[in-house]
Amino acid sequence: KQEVTQIPAALSVPEGENLVLNCSFTDSAIYNLQWFRQDPGKGLTSLLLIQSSQREQTSGRLNASLDKSSGRSTLYIAASQPGDSATYLCAVRGGGFGNEKLTFGTGTRLTIIP
Amino acid sequence: EAGVTQFPSHSVIEKGQTVTLRCDPISGHDNLYWYRRVMGKEIKFLLHFVKESKQDESGMPNNRFLAERTGGTYSTLKVQPAELEDSGVYFCASSSTGYEQYFGPGTRLTVT
Repeated sequence: KQEVTQIPAALSVPEGENLVLNCSFTDSAIYNLQWFRQDPGKGLTSLLLIQSSQREQTSGRLNASLDKSSGRSTLYIAASQPGDSATYLCAVRGGGFGNEKLTFGTGTRLTIIP
Repeated sequence: EAGVTQFPSHSVIEKGQTVTLRCDPISGHDNLYWYRRVMGKEIKFLLHFVKESKQDESGMPNNRFLAERTGGTYSTLKVQPAELEDSGVYFCASSSTGYEQYFGPGTRLTVT
């Protein structure tokens, strides 16, 4: 059974700093991994998706890496801004035909201090 | 292009009552998924439709939950009768190829 862990549960950093969020998963037989952001009372916004064959994906100030063999992914946020404050969720999709369900971590609540 | 929409945004019902949640996927998306987050825990998968067929319903907690997707367009999730532990946020997602899932804003269900 796949389990996804995100540490820390909460993180506060001053504006302008670079930061890294961590995600680990127990079963390396994944199809892909997605990072989402969730603002209070809102839905999930997909930030980056990494295929199992890829090592990293970049979008603007965000960079996500994947080390499938060790069951780890990181989300790097450069030059953080107050608007980055949100909960960040990591989700993995398992391998196997027809298995499209995502397994989520509990998230990291990020606060950027102006 | 409109995103995934869910209705209602918030529902408050008493234990034992029935509630029906609705999800409208992105137009043209054959894949539709239901997830929920209860009691501050992680978001968990409930089921997956491909068009009107249930591809995977391994996450449905019990037979009080009934999901339908008649005509392969919108989907409903009915909880009957509702219990206190059903309180949480119910998310719907859709996908055209199954590659990337796009989520709706969720329905917050409160059972009192």
